[in-house]
Amino acid sequence: EVQLVESGGGLVQPGGSLRLSCAASGFTFSSYEMNWVRQAPGKGLEWVSYISSSGSTIYYADSVKGRFTISRDNAKNSLYLQMNSLRAEDTAVYYCARGDYGEDAFDIWGQGTMVTVSS
Amino acid sequence: DIQMTQSPSSLSASVGDRVTITCRASQGIRNDLGWYQQKPGKAPKRLIYAASSLQSGVPSRFSGSGSGTEFTLTISSLQPEDFATYYCLQHNSYPPTFGQGTKLEIK
Repeated sequence: EVQLVESGGGLVQPGGSLRLSCAASGFTFSSYEMNWVRQAPGKGLEWVSYISSSGSTIYYADSVKGRFTISRDNAKNSLYLQMNSLRAEDTAVYYCARGDYGEDAFDIWGQGTMVTVSS
Repeated sequence: DIQMTQSPSSLSASVGDRVTITCRASQGIRNDLGWYQQKPGKAPKRLIYAASSLQSGVPSRFSGSGSGTEFTLTISSLQPEDFATYYCLQHNSYPPTFGQGTKLEIK
């Protein structure tokens, strides 16, 4: 079964850091681009970051640029999001999502992990 | 950035009704658009890809159409399990952008 499972969310103080992980199974992870998407409580979906299959190309939303770092370990079938200098407005459920082109574009999503930034 | 304007933002309908949701892109995106269904506390689920292709396992009452800047999602006969929030997503260029969402409620 094709599956993505996020972990690493939790409660963190403003200015703090957190590292999210996304474990992939059931498909050849190294062949797919990956994304992080977030959803603030009661709000819509917001794309956060993209990484190519090799890790050589990376994009960020302006709202997280300079604070968040996306990475992947194809040997471990894992995607990561290092989040630094966290703000209250980063509070959201964070989803990893597979693909970015054609039939594979954002086709599979994880269940999400909640990040709460609060003192 | 490409802006996706989705309408309506909310919709009340009855079981058996036909409903249509629209997304308009601020510039042409070919057919690089997907439609997603999200239920409370759950991840989004893709229904339609490439604007009009039905995701495997999704009931045929869901259909998508459009190309360029105007896109529609149609549910031909609403079922109780269809009451949810729907989003469009353009992935023609970075950053990918979502519509604001349409909350479909039971009348």
